[in-house]
Amino acid sequence: QKEVEQDPGPLSVPEGAIVSLNCTYSNSAFQYFMWYRQYSRKGPELLMYTYSSGNKEDGRFTAQVDKSSKYISLFIRDSQPSDSATYLCAAEFYFGTGTSLTVIP
Amino acid sequence: DSGVTQTPKHLITATGQRVTLRCSPRSGDLSVYWYQQSLDQGLQFLIQYYNGEERAKGNILERFSAQQFPDLHSELNLSSLELGDSALYFCASSPMGAGGHEQYFGPGTRLTVT
Repeated sequence: QKEVEQDPGPLSVPEGAIVSLNCTYSNSAFQYFMWYRQYSRKGPELLMYTYSSGNKEDGRFTAQVDKSSKYISLFIRDSQPSDSATYLCAAEFYFGTGTSLTVIP
Repeated sequence: DSGVTQTPKHLITATGQRVTLRCSPRSGDLSVYWYQQSLDQGLQFLIQYYNGEERAKGNILERFSAQQFPDLHSELNLSSLELGDSALYFCASSPMGAGGHEQYFGPGTRLTVT
């Protein structure tokens, strides 16, 4: 079993939609959870990180961690074409395989 | 631009050869991480160094080794290369010690083994 599992998509939504990206992880000892955005095989860019359970909001982005179910989520409100990228979730050093998102104008 | 630099950008070499990838972390960051990204495996953690000392090890092959120098730059050495080693290799740095929840990635080195 992989440490972090992520639905690879692809996910295609119209501009302005709310996007929900999700991951699960296996190790209950994990404390740090991150979301990265990656464009066209360039270096991943850190979007947000959270510690333990709870929510964290940054502009149009909200990260949520539920440690009881080992579930990590990223919500993007009012999605824009510039949000089109691959989104990677991570727990400690372990990354999901990424979800490819396309926002259609 | 994350502030992390990696050289070279591209590398093409033959099976059985040895290569060295170089990374310079962001100014002030003490931790350096190495990752391998291939199409079928995603981003795989290889190894972490903190202020010159190995701190954590992931799925790093015995043919691979790394070190961090006193000026904090790091090198990843890949030897006896195989076709399956073709991948993007990323370096990241972090201002924290263990945990590494705030990592800044470099642009990567694309390695092609022929």
